[in-house]
Amino acid sequence: DAGVTQSPTHLIKTRGQQVTLRCSPKSGHDTVSWYQQALGQGPQFIFQYYEEEERQRGNFPDRFSGHQFPNYSSELNVNALLLGDSALYLCASSLRDREAYEQYFGPGTRLTVT
Amino acid sequence: AQSVTQPDIHITVSEGASLELRCNYSYGATPYLFWYVQSPGQGLQLLLKYFSGDTLVQGIKGFEAEFKRSQSSFNLRKPSVHWSDAAEYFCAVRSSSNTGKLIFGQGTTLQVKP
Repeated sequence: DAGVTQSPTHLIKTRGQQVTLRCSPKSGHDTVSWYQQALGQGPQFIFQYYEEEERQRGNFPDRFSGHQFPNYSSELNVNALLLGDSALYLCASSLRDREAYEQYFGPGTRLTVT
Repeated sequence: AQSVTQPDIHITVSEGASLELRCNYSYGATPYLFWYVQSPGQGLQLLLKYFSGDTLVQGIKGFEAEFKRSQSSFNLRKPSVHWSDAAEYFCAVRSSSNTGKLIFGQGTTLQVKP
């Protein structure tokens, strides 16, 4: 049973560029959440997708957007990259209908903005 | 607003010694509480969780945690630390809603001396 997978593993971009990160949830899961983890910090919630719609959003600007596909996989898009967007981006999947659900995390994508 | 505080940024213990990592949370209702571990360059692995019932919960790798409502705490313990336990540990809280995001603490870095 494959766990949560993310691609790419590492990415280097220049300020002002756009980036797309991808996530495949754990088999059987239907909800995907994205987190940003800056160096030395705990993960910060960006948003959550279920049934191809954004259901909840953290305190992140509109430059951060996402998408969920019918197969439950998800993309995180960041436009107009800033140096401060350099971080580890974590994807987590879960099963929404279970109240006592737990989120399973992928290995993350390390984004460096120069 | 929900929040999580991990008072100890860095802890060093000798191999074989006992360990306690502190976590305090702020949340109005009964929270769902989690401890995750992150090895360098890796994603987050769930160690244990508390949803309801017995306030002492057992997790993987010999870890346990105790929920104390009166102290708003959920401290992580291990009787005897192994060198492989060296990692970053995160406490997190989630609302009882099944749409709830995870709120993480800043993390505690555990160093194990031989």
